[in-house]
Amino acid sequence: DGGITQSPKYLFRKEGQNVTLSCEQNLNHDAMYWYRQDPGQGLRLIYYSQIVNDFQKGDIAEGYSVSREKKESFPLTVTSAQKNPTAFYLCASSPQGSYEQYFGPGTRLTVT
Amino acid sequence: GQNIDQPTEMTATEGAIVQINCTYQTSGFNGLFWYQQHAGEAPTFLSYNVLDGLEEKGRFSSFLSRSKGYSYLLLKELQMKDSASYLCAVRDVRTALIFGKGTTLSVSS
Repeated sequence: DGGITQSPKYLFRKEGQNVTLSCEQNLNHDAMYWYRQDPGQGLRLIYYSQIVNDFQKGDIAEGYSVSREKKESFPLTVTSAQKNPTAFYLCASSPQGSYEQYFGPGTRLTVT
Repeated sequence: GQNIDQPTEMTATEGAIVQINCTYQTSGFNGLFWYQQHAGEAPTFLSYNVLDGLEEKGRFSSFLSRSKGYSYLLLKELQMKDSASYLCAVRDVRTALIFGKGTTLSVSS
């Protein structure tokens, strides 16, 4: 089956620890995106990548880092510098030249 | 600046028609999207408008006026399963999406 996978669905961490959220797609999409969603809020763009080995900061990149070493993978690291990391994180991908973004199931991160 | 506004909540009854409005001010425009999101789940694509006018897809229709920075999503023959959040999003020059805060629609019997 083709799609986007994010694991785990729920993740718990202690404050001060870095944590990496995985995002894998087997759709052969060129572009990948990370969004964050807080209760009652829309999705906000953290980072995006349009090709392998290249990525750009989104609107709220502070405290996050990414890598794009393979086309199918776009992991997001939430560092200890992120002041309010508890949120629902969504990864999306899009084929080149297409307007539609396909979303993964999301990872709910809780930091205490 | 970038700004997308939509009502926070709406209620309607089964079988009715509801219109969810969205106004936007963005630095670039490459299309407007509507997504549906059930609680705790990922958004799913509903519609896309890049030219002015109405796009119809079954019970759902979406309208765009670029000169007014305005769109609406029209849901007909409402069903209980339509209870969800509806997200308006604009695709900017980066190809990423700028989302509004979403409209939570509650459908009652």
